[in-house]
Amino acid sequence: QVQLQESGPGLVKPSETLSLTCTVSHNSISRVYWNWIRQSPGKGLEWIGYIYDSGNTNYNPSLRSRVTISLATSKNQFSLNLSSVTVADTAVYYCARAGVGLPVAWGQGTLVTVSS
Amino acid sequence: QAVVTQEPSLTVSPGGTVTLTCASSTGAVTSGHFAYWFQQKPGQAPRTLIYETNNKHSWTPARMSGSLIGGKAALTLSGAQLEDEADYYCLLSYSGAWVFGGGTKLTVL
Repeated sequence: QVQLQESGPGLVKPSETLSLTCTVSHNSISRVYWNWIRQSPGKGLEWIGYIYDSGNTNYNPSLRSRVTISLATSKNQFSLNLSSVTVADTAVYYCARAGVGLPVAWGQGTLVTVSS
Repeated sequence: QAVVTQEPSLTVSPGGTVTLTCASSTGAVTSGHFAYWFQQKPGQAPRTLIYETNNKHSWTPARMSGSLIGGKAALTLSGAQLEDEADYYCLLSYSGAWVFGGGTKLTVL
Protein backbone atom coordinates (compact mmCIF):
# COMPACT_ATOMS: atom_id res chain seq x y z
CA GLN A 1 0.00 0.00 0.00
CA VAL A 2 1.31 3.44 -0.93
CA GLN A 3 2.88 5.50 1.84
CA LEU A 4 3.59 9.21 1.82
CA GLN A 5 5.79 11.17 4.19
CA GLU A 6 6.22 14.93 4.35
CA SER A 7 9.50 16.52 5.36
CA GLY A 8 10.91 20.01 5.65
CA PRO A 9 11.53 22.89 8.06
CA GLY A 10 9.00 23.35 10.81
CA LEU A 11 9.70 27.07 11.11
CA VAL A 12 9.86 29.64 8.31
CA LYS A 13 10.31 33.38 8.59
CA PRO A 14 7.77 35.81 7.11
CA SER A 15 8.46 36.79 3.49
CA GLU A 16 10.62 33.69 2.95
CA THR A 17 9.79 30.57 0.92
CA LEU A 18 8.27 27.48 2.50
CA SER A 19 9.71 24.30 0.97
CA LEU A 20 8.43 20.80 1.67
CA THR A 21 9.10 17.40 0.15
CA CYS A 22 6.87 14.36 0.03
CA THR A 23 8.55 10.97 -0.27
CA VAL A 24 6.42 8.22 -1.76
CA SER A 25 6.94 4.53 -1.21
CA HIS A 26 5.19 1.41 -2.46
CA ASN A 27 3.42 3.23 -5.27
CA SER A 28 2.98 0.98 -8.28
CA ILE A 29 0.32 3.02 -10.04
CA SER A 30 0.86 5.53 -12.84
CA ARG A 31 -1.39 8.35 -14.07
CA VAL A 32 -1.91 9.75 -10.62
CA TYR A 33 -2.15 13.24 -9.18
CA TRP A 34 0.28 14.30 -6.46
CA ASN A 35 -1.39 16.86 -4.22
CA TRP A 36 -0.58 19.29 -1.44
CA ILE A 37 -3.28 20.21 1.07
CA ARG A 38 -3.06 22.31 4.20
CA GLN A 39 -5.02 22.86 7.39
CA SER A 40 -4.62 25.97 9.49
CA PRO A 41 -4.89 25.42 13.25
CA GLY A 42 -8.48 24.71 14.19
CA LYS A 43 -9.67 25.21 10.60
CA GLY A 44 -10.73 23.16 7.64
CA LEU A 45 -8.81 21.64 4.75
CA GLU A 46 -7.55 23.75 1.85
CA TRP A 47 -6.33 22.30 -1.43
CA ILE A 48 -3.08 23.89 -2.59
CA GLY A 49 -2.57 22.15 -5.90
CA TYR A 50 -1.34 19.07 -7.70
CA ILE A 51 1.16 17.85 -10.22
CA TYR A 52 0.23 15.05 -12.58
CA ASP A 53 2.58 12.27 -13.61
CA SER A 54 3.10 14.08 -16.92
CA GLY A 55 4.27 17.18 -15.11
CA ASN A 56 1.13 19.21 -15.68
CA THR A 57 0.11 21.28 -12.67
CA ASN A 58 -3.09 22.81 -11.33
CA TYR A 59 -3.13 25.25 -8.43
CA ASN A 60 -5.71 26.80 -6.14
CA PRO A 61 -6.45 30.20 -7.69
CA SER A 62 -6.07 31.89 -4.32
CA LEU A 63 -2.49 30.64 -4.01
CA ARG A 64 -1.45 30.33 -7.66
CA SER A 65 0.85 33.35 -7.70
CA ARG A 66 2.96 31.93 -4.86
CA VAL A 67 2.90 28.15 -5.42
CA THR A 68 5.15 25.80 -7.33
CA ILE A 69 4.79 22.03 -7.20
CA SER A 70 7.45 19.90 -8.82
CA LEU A 71 8.09 16.21 -9.34
CA ALA A 72 11.30 14.25 -8.96
CA THR A 73 10.29 10.81 -10.17
CA SER A 74 13.76 9.35 -9.93
CA LYS A 75 13.66 10.02 -6.22
CA ASN A 76 10.01 9.10 -5.74
CA GLN A 77 9.45 12.57 -4.41
CA PHE A 78 7.46 15.67 -5.15
CA SER A 79 7.86 19.09 -3.63
CA LEU A 80 6.00 22.23 -2.65
CA ASN A 81 7.38 25.76 -2.71
CA LEU A 82 5.23 28.55 -1.31
CA SER A 83 6.81 31.98 -1.58
CA SER A 84 6.36 35.19 0.40
CA VAL A 85 4.81 33.45 3.37
CA THR A 86 2.94 35.24 6.15
CA VAL A 87 1.59 34.06 9.49
CA ALA A 88 -1.59 33.10 7.62
CA ASP A 89 0.38 30.28 5.98
CA THR A 90 0.96 28.59 9.33
CA ALA A 91 -0.66 25.18 8.95
CA VAL A 92 -0.28 21.44 8.88
CA TYR A 93 0.71 20.56 5.34
CA TYR A 94 -0.33 17.20 3.89
CA CYS A 95 0.75 15.49 0.73
CA ALA A 96 -1.69 13.12 -0.92
CA ARG A 97 -2.00 10.83 -3.92
CA ALA A 98 -5.18 10.76 -5.99
CA GLY A 99 -6.29 9.24 -9.25
CA VAL A 100 -9.25 8.01 -11.21
CA GLY A 101 -10.73 5.04 -9.45
CA LEU A 102 -8.50 5.47 -6.42
CA PRO A 103 -9.14 6.58 -2.87
CA VAL A 104 -7.02 9.51 -1.77
CA ALA A 105 -3.93 8.36 0.13
CA TRP A 106 -2.68 10.86 2.72
CA GLY A 107 0.61 11.55 4.40
CA GLN A 108 0.76 12.08 8.15
CA GLY A 109 1.15 15.85 7.78
CA THR A 110 3.81 18.26 8.97
CA LEU A 111 3.30 21.46 10.92
CA VAL A 112 4.89 24.56 9.47
CA THR A 113 4.91 27.70 11.58
CA VAL A 114 5.59 31.10 10.05
CA SER A 115 7.19 33.33 12.62
CA SER A 116 10.13 35.65 12.99
CA GLN B 1 -14.06 29.68 -7.41
CA ALA B 2 -16.86 27.39 -6.34
CA VAL B 3 -17.93 27.18 -2.72
CA VAL B 4 -18.75 23.81 -1.17
CA THR B 5 -21.12 23.86 1.79
CA GLN B 6 -21.57 21.31 4.57
CA GLU B 7 -23.58 21.38 7.78
CA PRO B 8 -21.27 22.86 10.44
CA SER B 9 -22.41 20.41 13.07
CA LEU B 10 -24.74 17.46 13.51
CA THR B 11 -25.66 15.24 16.43
CA VAL B 12 -26.77 11.63 16.26
CA SER B 13 -27.72 9.17 18.94
CA PRO B 14 -25.82 5.90 19.22
CA GLY B 15 -27.46 3.45 16.86
CA GLY B 16 -29.17 6.24 14.98
CA THR B 17 -28.91 7.33 11.36
CA VAL B 18 -27.60 10.63 10.10
CA THR B 19 -26.94 12.06 6.66
CA LEU B 20 -24.24 14.62 6.02
CA THR B 21 -24.57 16.64 2.83
CA CYS B 22 -22.25 18.50 0.50
CA ALA B 23 -23.63 21.23 -1.76
CA SER B 24 -22.01 23.13 -4.61
CA SER B 25 -22.51 26.83 -5.26
CA THR B 26 -22.46 26.13 -9.00
CA GLY B 27 -25.52 23.92 -8.95
CA ALA B 28 -26.32 20.26 -8.52
CA VAL B 29 -23.53 17.91 -7.54
CA THR B 30 -23.16 15.15 -10.12
CA SER B 31 -21.00 12.11 -10.59
CA GLY B 32 -18.71 14.38 -12.58
CA HIS B 33 -17.67 16.07 -9.34
CA PHE B 34 -16.13 12.79 -8.11
CA ALA B 35 -17.25 13.51 -4.54
CA TYR B 36 -14.97 12.32 -1.74
CA TRP B 37 -15.63 12.02 1.96
CA PHE B 38 -12.92 12.12 4.63
CA GLN B 39 -13.00 11.50 8.35
CA GLN B 40 -10.64 13.34 10.67
CA LYS B 41 -10.21 12.77 14.37
CA PRO B 42 -8.31 15.18 16.65
CA GLY B 43 -4.59 15.15 16.06
CA GLN B 44 -4.84 12.78 13.11
CA ALA B 45 -4.55 13.12 9.37
CA PRO B 46 -7.76 12.80 7.38
CA ARG B 47 -8.56 9.39 6.04
CA THR B 48 -10.63 8.57 3.00
CA LEU B 49 -14.02 6.97 3.58
CA ILE B 50 -15.69 7.41 0.19
CA TYR B 51 -14.29 8.21 -3.24
CA GLU B 52 -16.01 9.03 -6.51
CA THR B 53 -19.44 9.46 -4.92
CA ASN B 54 -20.06 5.98 -3.56
CA ASN B 55 -16.94 3.81 -3.57
CA LYS B 56 -15.73 2.63 -0.20
CA HIS B 57 -12.17 2.31 1.00
CA SER B 58 -11.14 -1.08 2.35
CA TRP B 59 -11.44 0.28 5.88
CA THR B 60 -14.77 2.07 5.45
CA PRO B 61 -17.35 0.58 7.82
CA ALA B 62 -20.35 -1.02 6.16
CA ARG B 63 -22.60 1.37 8.07
CA MET B 64 -21.24 4.31 6.02
CA SER B 65 -22.28 4.92 2.44
CA GLY B 66 -22.02 7.68 -0.14
CA SER B 67 -24.63 8.83 -2.63
CA LEU B 68 -26.19 11.76 -4.45
CA ILE B 69 -29.40 13.06 -2.88
CA GLY B 70 -31.39 16.06 -4.00
CA GLY B 71 -28.55 17.60 -5.98
CA LYS B 72 -26.01 17.13 -3.20
CA ALA B 73 -23.40 14.58 -2.32
CA ALA B 74 -24.32 12.71 0.83
CA LEU B 75 -22.66 10.53 3.43
CA THR B 76 -25.08 8.38 5.41
CA LEU B 77 -24.20 6.68 8.69
CA SER B 78 -26.65 3.98 9.66
CA GLY B 79 -26.24 2.69 13.18
CA ALA B 80 -23.86 5.35 14.48
CA GLN B 81 -21.23 4.34 16.99
CA LEU B 82 -19.30 6.40 19.51
CA GLU B 83 -16.17 5.96 17.40
CA ASP B 84 -17.84 7.83 14.54
CA GLU B 85 -17.57 11.10 16.44
CA ALA B 86 -15.22 13.15 14.27
CA ASP B 87 -14.97 15.90 11.68
CA TYR B 88 -16.10 14.95 8.20
CA TYR B 89 -15.01 16.77 5.07
CA CYS B 90 -16.33 16.46 1.56
CA LEU B 91 -14.34 17.28 -1.52
CA LEU B 92 -15.60 18.08 -4.99
CA SER B 93 -13.58 18.22 -8.18
CA TYR B 94 -14.25 21.00 -10.68
CA SER B 95 -12.49 19.93 -13.85
CA GLY B 96 -9.53 18.82 -11.80
CA ALA B 97 -9.47 21.69 -9.32
CA TRP B 98 -10.39 20.54 -5.84
CA VAL B 99 -12.60 22.39 -3.39
CA PHE B 100 -13.17 21.18 0.15
CA GLY B 101 -16.29 21.78 2.14
CA GLY B 102 -15.94 23.51 5.49
CA GLY B 103 -16.45 20.27 7.38
CA THR B 104 -19.15 18.82 9.62
CA LYS B 105 -18.48 18.17 13.28
CA LEU B 106 -20.42 15.01 14.11
CA THR B 107 -21.29 14.37 17.72
CA VAL B 108 -22.55 10.96 18.82
CA LEU B 109 -24.53 11.54 21.96
